[in-house]
Amino acid sequence: QSVLTQPPSVSGAPGQAVSISCTGSSSNLGARYNVHWYQQVPGTAPKLLIYDNVKRPSGVPDRFSGSKSGASASLAITGLQAGDEADYYCQSYDYRLSGSRVFGTGTKVTVL
Amino acid sequence: EVQLVQSGAEVKKSGESLKISCKGYGYNFSRYWIAWVRQTPGRGLEWMGTVHPGDSKTRLSPSFQGQVTISADKSIDTAYLQWTSLKPSDTAMYFCMRAASWDLPPFDYWGQGTLVIVSS
Repeated sequence: QSVLTQPPSVSGAPGQAVSISCTGSSSNLGARYNVHWYQQVPGTAPKLLIYDNVKRPSGVPDRFSGSKSGASASLAITGLQAGDEADYYCQSYDYRLSGSRVFGTGTKVTVL
Repeated sequence: EVQLVQSGAEVKKSGESLKISCKGYGYNFSRYWIAWVRQTPGRGLEWMGTVHPGDSKTRLSPSFQGQVTISADKSIDTAYLQWTSLKPSDTAMYFCMRAASWDLPPFDYWGQGTLVIVSS
């Protein structure tokens, strides 16, 4: 059962910008634990997209950016491309659940 | 190049046992934790637990304690996820991932996934 809540879907036209929210609570994001984001293209494994709230692994375009404030975080994608169509998941740590990694509910990004 | 390569898809019957594997390439396998997640259409991604191949320490999610065993054999750079008695509800895609620690760091490399189908 996911403890991080994301919108089920967002969409945008090529070239536009979209944003995905990730809402947690006082035992995870609100406790200042970092958030990480993963991109999962259908039929493949998730891939690390953003880590420690704002950092991009080598090879990830700067069209992807992350932010965090309190118990919420966001992933922004600018200059939307067809290849960005995928599921996106946030992930953090929750101290209340006997110390567990927790994932968001996932957001499907559709490029119109 | 860092890679995690998982064993192939499995089709089993309810009550059977199963052990799936995840082999690491291109890095010091003993120095990173290997975690497992379950993915289903209804429940999304669920963290199951993790093992440190260097000393075999494990941490299991409360949701999966008593349901699965996570282990590793550092001599062959391989981690395992096993069940003693499968249920149809174990039908899912399972991924292994690497992390620098058991709790906070991101999962920087993922296996390709192992599909497990359990029939009644």
